[in-house]
Amino acid sequence: QKEVEQDPGPLSVPEGAIVSLNCTYSNSAFQYFMWYRQYSRKGPELLMYTYSSGNKEDGRFTAQVDKSSKYISLFIRDSQPSDSATYLCAMSAGNTPLVFGKGTRLSVIA
Amino acid sequence: AAGVIQSPRHLIKEKRETATLKCYPIPRHDTVYWYQQGPGQDPQFLISFYEKMQSDKGSIPDRFSAQQFSDYHSELNMSSLELGDSALYFCASSPPWTSGGAYGANVLTFGAGSRLTVL
Repeated sequence: QKEVEQDPGPLSVPEGAIVSLNCTYSNSAFQYFMWYRQYSRKGPELLMYTYSSGNKEDGRFTAQVDKSSKYISLFIRDSQPSDSATYLCAMSAGNTPLVFGKGTRLSVIA
Repeated sequence: AAGVIQSPRHLIKEKRETATLKCYPIPRHDTVYWYQQGPGQDPQFLISFYEKMQSDKGSIPDRFSAQQFSDYHSELNMSSLELGDSALYFCASSPPWTSGGAYGANVLTFGAGSRLTVL
């Protein structure tokens, strides 16, 4: 079993839909949780970053962490075609390298 | 703002050849990470350097080596290339703990990647 599990999709939604992306993990030492967005042939760019459990909102994006369930989510409201990309969850225990999920490929159809 | 610079962006090599990838981190970032991303795969951690010393080692093959230089740039050297080495190689850098604490030190900024094709 991989340390971080993420449904690779692909996920296709109409413009304006609410998108929910999720990851589960097995390492209870993980404390830092991130979502990266990766456009085709580009490097991952940091989208959301949370520490420990809780919610964080930034514009149309909301990240949730439930450490008791070892489950993290990213919600995208009012999705736009420009949100079409691969979304990678990543996490770290702190002094350890980031461990990535496989990424979920999202397509938002206009 | 300055980003992580990687070169070359594209590289084509034959089997058993060698290749060197370079990474220039964001100024004042002291930690550099190398990741390998195969087609349709998640980035796999290879190796990292902190203050010019190797800090963590992941799934880096013995045929690969890397180092960080006094100006904090890093090079990934790959020898005896195999077809399976064809991938995107990303470098990322992160700021020192002194500037952002543990929270900031875990923020990795990635470069645009170097695409290696082995024929």
